[in-house]
Amino acid sequence: DAGVTQSPTHLIKTRGQQVTLRCSPKSGHDTVSWYQQALGQGPQFIFQYYEEEERQRGNFPDRFSGHQFPNYSSELNVNALLLGDSALYLCASSPGRRGEQFFGPGTRLTVL
Amino acid sequence: GENVEQHPSTLSVQEGDSAVIKCTYSDSASNYFPWYKQELGKRPQLIIDIRSNVGEKKDQRIAVTLNKTAKHFSLHITETQPEDSAVYFCAASGSNFGNEKLTFGTGTRLTIIP
Repeated sequence: DAGVTQSPTHLIKTRGQQVTLRCSPKSGHDTVSWYQQALGQGPQFIFQYYEEEERQRGNFPDRFSGHQFPNYSSELNVNALLLGDSALYLCASSPGRRGEQFFGPGTRLTVL
Repeated sequence: GENVEQHPSTLSVQEGDSAVIKCTYSDSASNYFPWYKQELGKRPQLIIDIRSNVGEKKDQRIAVTLNKTAKHFSLHITETQPEDSAVYFCAASGSNFGNEKLTFGTGTRLTIIP
């Protein structure tokens, strides 16, 4: 049984560009949350998707948007990239409205 | 919103000794408190969690205690081993099931000295 998977592993972009990160949840999980982890910091909640809708949102600007597909996989989109967006982006999945969150390996985004 | 503070930021202990990491939270509505271990370059892994209706939980060498009145919780690792070296994060959630937004502490880098 595969755990949470994310793609790509690493990504390098320049300021002003747009990026899309992808996440496939653990089998049996239908809720996906996204976190940003800056170097040396704890993960910060971006938003959560359940039943293809954004259910909760953290303190991130509208440049951060997402989507959840019928198969429960999810995308994180970031527009107009800033240097400060460089971080490890983690996806976590959980089984519905009950259950702990399990993290994927993350996507390391570098903005030059 | 919720704010979680974690101390210490770094901790070094001799192999075989115990390690204690402490966290405080601000939102009295928080009900679920997980601890994650993150090794260098790897994903955070859930090692233990506790819910608000429980004061203490133990799993082999790892234990977590919760004081809801004081709004603090702690991770205890006994008989530490070199493989315990990692960064540990505490977190808090308003959901009793842990599936809602997690607010993390800033992490503790634990080093086990052989």
